[in-house]
Amino acid sequence: KNEVEQSPQNLTAQEGEFITINCSYSVGISALHWLQQHPGGGIVSLFMLSSGKKKHGRLIATINIQEKHSSLHITASHPRDSAVYICAVRRNFGNEKLTFGTGTRLTIIP
Amino acid sequence: NAGVTQTPKFQVLKTGQSMTLQCAQDMNHEYMSWYRQDPGMGLRLIHYSVGAGITDQGEVPNGYNVSRSTTEDFPLRLLSAAPSQTSVYFCASKPSSGGWGRVYGYTFGSGTRLTVV
Repeated sequence: KNEVEQSPQNLTAQEGEFITINCSYSVGISALHWLQQHPGGGIVSLFMLSSGKKKHGRLIATINIQEKHSSLHITASHPRDSAVYICAVRRNFGNEKLTFGTGTRLTIIP
Repeated sequence: NAGVTQTPKFQVLKTGQSMTLQCAQDMNHEYMSWYRQDPGMGLRLIHYSVGAGITDQGEVPNGYNVSRSTTEDFPLRLLSAAPSQTSVYFCASKPSSGGWGRVYGYTFGSGTRLTVV
């Protein structure tokens, strides 16, 4: 079993829908990252979380440390949100290594 | 523009050839790392560095060497390419957490698509 599991693997939705992508992990962590990989392959860091909730524009990321679970929400989804969203966890503050999920491929249909 | 620059973007090698993937950043980031991305698998850490002169192995280091002679550059060397090294390679950097619990985001390069035939 992977240490970081994402669901769903693939998600297709209509423009305007509210999107939720989930990330569960099985190890203790010091931080969790959400990344976006564009269709062209480039990777952008969206959020870094160690607790609570963060919001940037239409994107919201939450984490529940006790439940070992994080969610990425997209409100009012748009075709330009189509991408692969990747969850990654960092184990310890003194260890910079990341363990990645396999990603969720999101397609937003106009 | 500030960021992480990877070269080349595409490369085809024959089995047994050697090459170096270049990675440079101009943000004075202490931490740099190399990942490979294969279909159906998450990004996997190859090697990383927490500062000039310091490198360490990641999850899949075999067949790759790195060095960090300056803060800016972190080249990845394939000594004798194998078809199993066909992959997309990403370099990333970030400021060091410094052990104080600060969380910083990563800046990724645009990737190198390597095919070994």
